[in-house]
Amino acid sequence: EVQLVESGGGLVQAGESLRLSCAASGFTFSKHWMSWVRQAPGKGLEWVANIKEDGSAKSYVDSVEGRFTISRDNAKTSLYLQMNSLRAEDTAVYYCAAYRNLGCWGRGTLVTVFS
Amino acid sequence: DVVMTQSPLSLPVTLGQPASISCRSSQSLVHSDGNTYLNWFHQRPGQSPRRLIYQVSNRDSGVPDRFSGSGSGTDFTLKISRVEAEDVGVYYCMQATHWPALTFGGGTKVEIK
Repeated sequence: EVQLVESGGGLVQAGESLRLSCAASGFTFSKHWMSWVRQAPGKGLEWVANIKEDGSAKSYVDSVEGRFTISRDNAKTSLYLQMNSLRAEDTAVYYCAAYRNLGCWGRGTLVTVFS
Repeated sequence: DVVMTQSPLSLPVTLGQPASISCRSSQSLVHSDGNTYLNWFHQRPGQSPRRLIYQVSNRDSGVPDRFSGSGSGTDFTLKISRVEAEDVGVYYCMQATHWPALTFGGGTKVEIK
């Protein structure tokens, strides 16, 4: 069974940093693109970033470009999101999702940024 | 950038009756490989999203056959043949044709009358 478990969320002040992790199991992690998707309170879904199977290609939504960095460790079957210079508008539940068409999602981790 | 527009925003339905959600894209979703990467997700209150349909009309494993997807180019539809209580929540379309950027529609909230 495919499982994705996010961790690392919390309450931080604007301008600070946070690192999210996603532990994957139940599938061949190293053979699939992975993504982060977020959902602000009461709002819809927003794609944040994704990363190629071997980590050689990464893409970001414009609003986080230059502040967030997606990475992965295939040996540890883990996905990461380093979030720097956090803003109040980054407050959201962050989901880890597997496969190009986001066929599997984790339960999410809440990030709250206060100013 | 591709913009995905869903309608309606809210859809009150009677149990056992059909429901239909529209999704339109600002650009064609036909990929150069000939496939159309339009997906549908369902999010129940307090839960993470779950994919229902991939590539326009293919149901994911375990998805009841009362759900169906159709469409082409820029116009797509998700239909529920007979709504059940467990179908409440928000439905999102998402394009993955213009990879690596993914774009979601704004969502359609389905509730029981």
